[in-house]
Amino acid sequence: KAGVTQTPRYLIKTRGQQVTLSCSPISGHRSVSWYQQTPGQGLQFLFEYFSETQRNKGNFPGRFSGRQFSNSRSEMNVSTLELGDSALYLCASSLSGQVYEQYFGPGTRLTVT
Amino acid sequence: TQLLEQSPQFLSIQEGENLTVYCNSSSVFSSLQWYRQEPGEGPVLLVTVVTGGEVKKLKRLTFQFGDARKDSSLHITAAQPGDTGLYLCAGGDNYQLIWGAGTKLIIKP
Repeated sequence: KAGVTQTPRYLIKTRGQQVTLSCSPISGHRSVSWYQQTPGQGLQFLFEYFSETQRNKGNFPGRFSGRQFSNSRSEMNVSTLELGDSALYLCASSLSGQVYEQYFGPGTRLTVT
Repeated sequence: TQLLEQSPQFLSIQEGENLTVYCNSSSVFSSLQWYRQEPGEGPVLLVTVVTGGEVKKLKRLTFQFGDARKDSSLHITAAQPGDTGLYLCAGGDNYQLIWGAGTKLIIKP
């Protein structure tokens, strides 16, 4: 099976702009989670989608949003970018189940200037 | 609030040495996972443990889940430079993972 794919891999944006990141999960996986990773804060949970519904949400401002499509592909959007949004954004997919193993994509490195 | 604390935060040792890293919490988890992450890449799942007291071996890596399902350890025997990376533990609870901050491991040749 193909792994989790994320596009683009690298992105440079200017403060105030918005950005959309894309994630394609492993075939058959219906849950997609998004994380922000920075050297100082570690892995921070953004949100999780299952069957097109947001099931869990982390503690991030409303500028961060996401959605999931009927084919389980997911996008996340960050509006009004700030310098502090520079980070590695990771997407992970999972089969729905009691043991919640996640399989990560390579990430999108976002730099805000 | 559930927390997972990993120790040490950073470890640098010579090739061939043994090491143990820890993942501790005051909360009980239904499962616990260990991941390894290399710079610029996503974490890769190494193992999942679900039963208190469970021990799993993956070549030179030995994972143990505490009897009370609140803590876990990862022991590496005869460490190699290829073991270098960030080791993350994550506890499973209600379709969400609680993540530790990680142990950054460097194995020097």
